[in-house]
Amino acid sequence: QVQLQESGPGLVKPSETLSLTCTVSGGSISSDYWTWIRQPPGRGLEWIGYIYNRGSTNYNPSLKSRVTISVDTSKNQLSLKLSSVTAADTAVYYCARGKGVVPSVWGQGTLVTVSS
Amino acid sequence: DIVMTQTPLSSPVTLGQPASISCRSSQSLVHSDGNTYLSWFQQRPGQPPRLLIYKISNRFSGVPDRFSASGAGTDFTLKISRVEAEDVGVYYCMQATQFPYTFGQGTKLEIK
Repeated sequence: QVQLQESGPGLVKPSETLSLTCTVSGGSISSDYWTWIRQPPGRGLEWIGYIYNRGSTNYNPSLKSRVTISVDTSKNQLSLKLSSVTAADTAVYYCARGKGVVPSVWGQGTLVTVSS
Repeated sequence: DIVMTQTPLSSPVTLGQPASISCRSSQSLVHSDGNTYLSWFQQRPGQPPRLLIYKISNRFSGVPDRFSASGAGTDFTLKISRVEAEDVGVYYCMQATQFPYTFGQGTKLEIK
């Protein structure tokens, strides 16, 4: 059974780049859709974007100029980079494997706080 | 963006009784490929969301059959036939028909 685990710095300074990794076990990252979703504390869910076919991506236009999703097939990892962060980017970040485009298996999430 | 509106925002339910959550989209969710990409997720306290239903009414692997869903076009419903204590949490609908994919604001299910 596929499992996902997010990792990365829990604290990022304003204007810097948030970088997260999602390590996939029990399945290959070379196929399927792989999605990032975030959830500000106490709030709802926001779709960030996905990658499929090892390199094709779709991003939320509200973040498109700042976000990059990529995969490292040699490490079976998914990554997220979000540049020029502000306090509004403080959230729990989830990676998920898709059943098609629908996020079906989620990681536990990692909280990233943007603060100086 | 397609706006997803859920009602109610809070639903107190007695154990063993049914519960129902509505989700309405600001545009039709019928995709050009003929599918309707409307999903339901459950988020228990302190846990990540869990996929319950995809493409309107298909239960995901391991989801109990007390969960069912229906709908078409812009109006969709999730039903729990008999609420159990483990069903407490927040339920979200999500559309994956048009970019950007969007979620409803969530419905909190709690026990009376």
